[in-house]
Amino acid sequence: GDSVTQMEGPVTLSEEAFLTINCTYTATGYPSLFWYVQYPGEGLQLLLKATKADDKGSNKGFEATYRKETTSFHLEKGSVQVSDSAVYFCALSDLSGDNAGNMLTFGGGTRLMVKP
Amino acid sequence: DGGITQSPKYLFRKEGQNVTLSCEQNLNHDAMYWYRQDPGQGLRLIYYSQIVNDFQKGDIAEGYSVSREKKESFPLTVTSAQKNPTAFYLCASSRIGGTGELFFGEGSRLTVL
Repeated sequence: GDSVTQMEGPVTLSEEAFLTINCTYTATGYPSLFWYVQYPGEGLQLLLKATKADDKGSNKGFEATYRKETTSFHLEKGSVQVSDSAVYFCALSDLSGDNAGNMLTFGGGTRLMVKP
Repeated sequence: DGGITQSPKYLFRKEGQNVTLSCEQNLNHDAMYWYRQDPGQGLRLIYYSQIVNDFQKGDIAEGYSVSREKKESFPLTVTSAQKNPTAFYLCASSRIGGTGELFFGEGSRLTVL
């Protein structure tokens, strides 16, 4: 079945540091890929997405490129802020086969802590 | 504003009691989902529904029940059969097809005393 693997956290960075959170996936079809962010005590919010190979999703200074050859969707940001402290989830939606209902497969989440 | 509303935000229950978590959406989405999140872990799918009066078990359905009598509503009941119910519960909705994006509520934190 489909699966998503993220680097384990927590990731602790100083403000203005460069961020990379690794995400790799396995899927039987041609999935859409997502990064969601969860702030403390809240639900998940979509951060960015990519629907086909070589697409780059971007939002709020975050970027991720859909790499089919390496089955990866790594999240990057050039300069993190304290307000970026949250848990980040990589996810895929494989609409082929039985998944006609947009069920997402999530990675385990990576906690990011940014210190001033 | 369109969105998903979960209630209550915090809930305490004694062992042996059933509790029902509410989830309402006004996004006109056909599909709705319940996920469970445990500290430091990812999300696990409990139940999902793609159409009114129909729903399917997810990966961890044991000890839970749902109903989908209206398109807008997808309540989750945590029964006394759920052995470890303390968790953060997230409701989500989506269109059928499209790019697969889910929209989430703010979650309900259940604590069993």
